[in-house]
Amino acid sequence: DVKVTQSSRYLVKRTGEKVFLECVQDMDHENMFWYRQDPGLGLRLIYFSYDVKMKEKGDIPEGYSVSREKKERFSLILESASTNQTSMYLCASSPSGGQDEQYFGPGTRLTVT
Amino acid sequence: AQRVTQPEKLLSVFKGAPVELKCNYSYSGSPELFWYVQYSRQRLQLLLRHISRESIKGFTADLNKGETSFHLKKPFAQEEDSAMYYCALTAGGAQKLVFGQGTRLTINP
Repeated sequence: DVKVTQSSRYLVKRTGEKVFLECVQDMDHENMFWYRQDPGLGLRLIYFSYDVKMKEKGDIPEGYSVSREKKERFSLILESASTNQTSMYLCASSPSGGQDEQYFGPGTRLTVT
Repeated sequence: AQRVTQPEKLLSVFKGAPVELKCNYSYSGSPELFWYVQYSRQRLQLLLRHISRESIKGFTADLNKGETSFHLKKPFAQEEDSAMYYCALTAGGAQKLVFGQGTRLTINP
């Protein structure tokens, strides 16, 4: 079974803090993704990566950055957290190809106060 | 740009009744379409994709290119079908998914 793990289930941070969300997959997938999930808005893509050290902006990259130094690990960074970044963050991975299933992690609920 | 619309945020039906969750998309080419589901306290997972033409847990979805729709249907709803359902597409060989807003389905006993 594909396993995608995220470093925290719940996280509370203060405005202005630098926040790191970590995601690890164990199936040697090329693609990794970061989404945020908000009620009424669905899932919105923040960034994705199709190879080590490669990244592409998604639909809502502002205020975020990412890092992929190893194939299995994809980190999402909030340089200076703000209250409007309070959300559920989902990581996903997939093999190469647009028709492939994406496998999701359990999510990190981030609250910025 | 590609867009996916799920017009119903909430849908409530009785057990045993038919279910239809609506999904419309905008894309000028031939998209790949998916339904993902998230049960309570579980992670988001693939339910079905149109290219495999499968029936999963009694659900089916037909791609209607004329109406640009990919509605999810089940003839007899079960209580365990209560969940959040997302329609999604990829287009042009891209790896990324575009998701709809989601529909929360509740099956009443």
